[in-house]
Amino acid sequence: DGGITQSPKYLFRKEGQNVTLSCEQNLNHDAMYWYRQDPGQGLRLIYYSQIVNDFQKGDIAEGYSVSREKKESFPLTVTSAQKNPTAFYLCASSLQTGELFFGEGSRLTVL
Amino acid sequence: AQSVAQPEDQVNVAEGNPLTVKCTYSVSGNPYLFWYVQYPNRGLQFLLKYITGDNLVKGSYGFEAEFNKSQTSFHLKKPSALVSDSALYFCAVRDIPGNNRKLIWGLGTSLAVNP
Repeated sequence: DGGITQSPKYLFRKEGQNVTLSCEQNLNHDAMYWYRQDPGQGLRLIYYSQIVNDFQKGDIAEGYSVSREKKESFPLTVTSAQKNPTAFYLCASSLQTGELFFGEGSRLTVL
Repeated sequence: AQSVAQPEDQVNVAEGNPLTVKCTYSVSGNPYLFWYVQYPNRGLQFLLKYITGDNLVKGSYGFEAEFNKSQTSFHLKKPSALVSDSALYFCAVRDIPGNNRKLIWGLGTSLAVNP
């Protein structure tokens, strides 16, 4: 079935460690996105990519990095520079009309 | 400034009653409007969208939304609520100009349907 696969679903990290969240899609969508969700704050855009080998910062990119080497893949690295990384992370891809398809999310907890 | 507002943090309805989840927006030009639903610890699921045409849009799971240009609103409705409709609902709007596909999101409304 077509869709977006995020892994891992749950991840624990010690302070000072970088972690990478995986996002893979087989919908043949050009655009992909990473959002962060915190209670009461809705969705905030971290990075987005409209085409392979190109990506742009969203509203809260500091402390995060991404790559887009393949159309299907858009991994997110949460670096040690991110001051408050505990959150629910959502990856999405979109059609031309902007309708988003989401993965099931990855919950990162910093110990 | 462009924005989306969901004025109610929480909506409570009895099963079988009609439900409304409110959304108002402010964007330049003509908007693309969306509703998404999120169940606990899950990703968001697309419900419906308005791009152009009929102001009443029908979507998944029996939901519909009415676009009102004069009131800049796009309220989500369902004639008869189910307990399984209990979830977090997000309204979003995309402005058309340019190639930027970022959506502007509301903060979400938690819907509780009581048996």
